[in-house]
This record gives sequence, structure tokens and C-alpha cells, in this order.
Amino acid sequence: ILNVEQSPQSLHVQEGDSTNFTCSFPSSNFYALHWYRWETAKSPEALFVMTLNGDEKKKGRISATLNTKEGYSYLYIKGSQPEDSATYLCAPQTGANNLFFGTGTRLTVIP
Amino acid sequence: EAGVAQSPRYKIIEKRQSVAFWCNPISGHATLYWYQQILGQGPKLLIQFQNNGVVDDSQLPKDRFSAERLKGVDSTLKIQPAKLEDSAVYLCASSLNGRGAFFGQGTRLTVV
Repeated sequence: ILNVEQSPQSLHVQEGDSTNFTCSFPSSNFYALHWYRWETAKSPEALFVMTLNGDEKKKGRISATLNTKEGYSYLYIKGSQPEDSATYLCAPQTGANNLFFGTGTRLTVIP
Repeated sequence: EAGVAQSPRYKIIEKRQSVAFWCNPISGHATLYWYQQILGQGPKLLIQFQNNGVVDDSQLPKDRFSAERLKGVDSTLKIQPAKLEDSAVYLCASSLNGRGAFFGQGTRLTVV
């Protein structure tokens, strides 16, 4: 079992604002870090998987960075839109198949 | 490519009753996970299969929960007897090569 912390737990932003969340995890036995986006009544959707220290990934207005030495990852959303409202989950992975999820950050974008 | 299929989508039962959930993973995915997501918490791994063998079931409450993956494809998760605190979304996910998981839409269980 891995201790994964995400902050903040919830966040309300105005449409057009940029925002970021944090995922902290133990740096030992690191294999990969996954970010998922989970909208209500839908399946969690994979956003990024990162493996190397210093990795940066980008998908449209969403980007993520990874620091495996200190055990954290940041997710950034630029110019938030109402459709970005969702719970964002991070899941560090130890070994080839063990995913451990944080409690998530629930984002609400206010039009 | 078909996604992970789960059924039922919703289930309401009384405490002490039994319930079973079914999952059909993406074709060819050897790894299958069952997660429990209680309101306000992140998904918690209940059990992980590699083909039809159990890799990790350390967080499965074995006194009431059981899971099987006969033939290494479909899986069922059973709760017997259910308690109020079992109310949650039960997510099934599958993975091909350990580089992430694809999720089904989940089964929302309400125990009354």
C-alpha cells in the first residue's frame, strides 16, 4: 500500500483562470505516475503516464510535470473551462502492475 | 476497440443481502483490477488478477468479499453479506502491459 496525497481536495475556479494541483508520493520503488480525469457517471479517463524524472507532458490546455527524486507531480490547467470540471486522480505505480490512487482533487469551473 | 464492460450499472440491496458484479475486460488484457470508491475518497484496490491468478488481495475484506477470474477473462466480485459501509462505486479496470489501466463505468452499490 502506498501513501498518496493530493491537494487541494477540492477547488472552485472561474472560467478562464489557470490552476494547478499537487500529487505527493513516496519516491522509493517508483515505476510510473498516472493522471486520470474522472467525470461524474463516467469512467476514469487516462490523461498522462510519466516515468522519468523531469518528464513533462501536455494535452491541449492540460500539462503535467514529474519529480521522482522528491516524489511529486503537478497537474496544470491553463484557461479553465466548465468542461474541465471533474475529479483529477493521480496514481503512482510501483512495479509493473500496482497502481495506488490518491483521493483526488475535485475541480469545479464556474462559468 | 471495445472498452471495459461492467454490469449492473446500479444496484440497491438491503444489508445482509448478497450481491455480485461482473466485469469483462478489454480483449487481451492480462491484468484485471477491482477498485472500491467510497464517496469522498480515492479508488481503493480490492484485488488484482494476472490472467486467472491473484496478484494482490491484501485490501479485500475476505470475510465478506470474494472475487474470481475463471479462464483469465471475465471476473465477478461478490459481497456476502453486505453492510451499509459497502455502499460505493465498484470499478473494474484492465491493463495490457502495466503502463496504466482502462476503466469500466463502474457499478454504484447502495446498501440500505
